[in-house]
Amino acid sequence: EVQLVESGGGLVQPGGSLRLSCAASGFTFINYAMNWVRQAPGKGLEWVSGTSSSGDSTYNTESVKGRFTISRDNSKNRLFLQMDSLRAEDTAIYYCATGHISNWFPFDYWGQGTLVTVSS
Amino acid sequence: DIQMTQSPSTLSASVGDRVTITCRASQSISNWLAWYQQKPGKAPKFLIYKASILQSGVPSRFSGSGSGTEFTLTISSLQPDDFATYYCHQYYSYSYTFGQGTKLEI
Repeated sequence: EVQLVESGGGLVQPGGSLRLSCAASGFTFINYAMNWVRQAPGKGLEWVSGTSSSGDSTYNTESVKGRFTISRDNSKNRLFLQMDSLRAEDTAIYYCATGHISNWFPFDYWGQGTLVTVSS
Repeated sequence: DIQMTQSPSTLSASVGDRVTITCRASQSISNWLAWYQQKPGKAPKFLIYKASILQSGVPSRFSGSGSGTEFTLTISSLQPDDFATYYCHQYYSYSYTFGQGTKLEI
């Protein structure tokens, strides 16, 4: 059974940093592109960041460029999102999601999410 | 960025009804469209990709169609478990945008 378990969310002040982690199991992690997708409270879904199966290629949505960094550790089946210079508009549930095997999209499997709240 | 617009935003229906949700793209996305189902407090669930291909395990009462700029998700006979919010998602080009969602309620 595929499992994706996010951690690392919490309350942080504007301008602060947070590192999210996603532990993957039940599938061959190294074969899958991985993504972060977020959902602001009561709002829709937004793709945030993605990485290839090897981790060599990464992309971010425009609003987080220069602030968020996606990475992965294939030896430990983990995905990460380093979030710096956080803003109030980054407040959301952050979901870890697999790609469609080696393709980045669509999102086959999702974790349950971790809530990030940016507030003073 | 490509804008995705779903209609209606809310749809009221009954068990056994046939319902259709529409998703329109601001420019052609060929058939690079997916659909997801989300229930309150839960993660989205992947339903359909390439506009019409059902993900493994998804009931056959779900179907998708369309290409270019107009797409539909149809549920042929609503079951109690189907009441949720549905999102379309284009993965033709950056920034891989979602529709705003359609809430399907009883």
